[in-house]
Amino acid sequence: KAGVTQTPRYLIKTRGQQVTLSCSPISGHRSVSWYQQTPGQGLQFLFEYFSETQRNKGNFPGRFSGRQFSNSRSEMNVSTLELGDSALYLCASKAGPNTDTQYFGPGTRLTVL
Amino acid sequence: SQKIEQNSEALNIQEGKTATLTCNYTNYSPAYLQWYRQDPGRGPVFLLLIRENEKEKRKERLKVTFDTTLKQSLFHITASQPADSATYLCALDERNYGGSQGNLIFGKGTKLSVKP
Repeated sequence: KAGVTQTPRYLIKTRGQQVTLSCSPISGHRSVSWYQQTPGQGLQFLFEYFSETQRNKGNFPGRFSGRQFSNSRSEMNVSTLELGDSALYLCASKAGPNTDTQYFGPGTRLTVL
Repeated sequence: SQKIEQNSEALNIQEGKTATLTCNYTNYSPAYLQWYRQDPGRGPVFLLLIRENEKEKRKERLKVTFDTTLKQSLFHITASQPADSATYLCALDERNYGGSQGNLIFGKGTKLSVKP
């Protein structure tokens, strides 16, 4: 089975712009979570989607949003980018919301200049 | 709020020795605790999960213990090899303290270096 894929792998944007990141879960997995990883804060939970609905949300401002499509693929969007949004954005998939083991993708490295 | 601390930012050991990494948490015991390995520039890879009613879990050279009295988990790698060099993260599930199943709180990780 192919693993979790994320596109693009690297992205450079400037302050004020917006960005959309994409995640394709493992085939058959219906739950997708997003995380932000920075050297200072570590790995922080952004949100989780299941069946096209947001189940959980972490403590991030409304500039961070996401969605999930009927094929379980997910996108996250960050509007009005700030320098502090520079991070590795990770997507993780699992079979369903009650499954405990999740599998991470390689991440998208976002740099905001 | 729940906090997780991985006591060492970095741990250097000699090949063949046992590496022991520590994860401490505050407040309520989590339903389970997970350990991940992360290599530079890559996503974390799941290693082991231990539930609140389990004291120990093993997988090949890996062993995890969970002490709810001490609010601590220990992660051991026996007969360590240079290929074990990576950052190891512990993570807790939030459901036991008002959060939802699936919300994971991660420690900041311990960078393990195994010298030949």
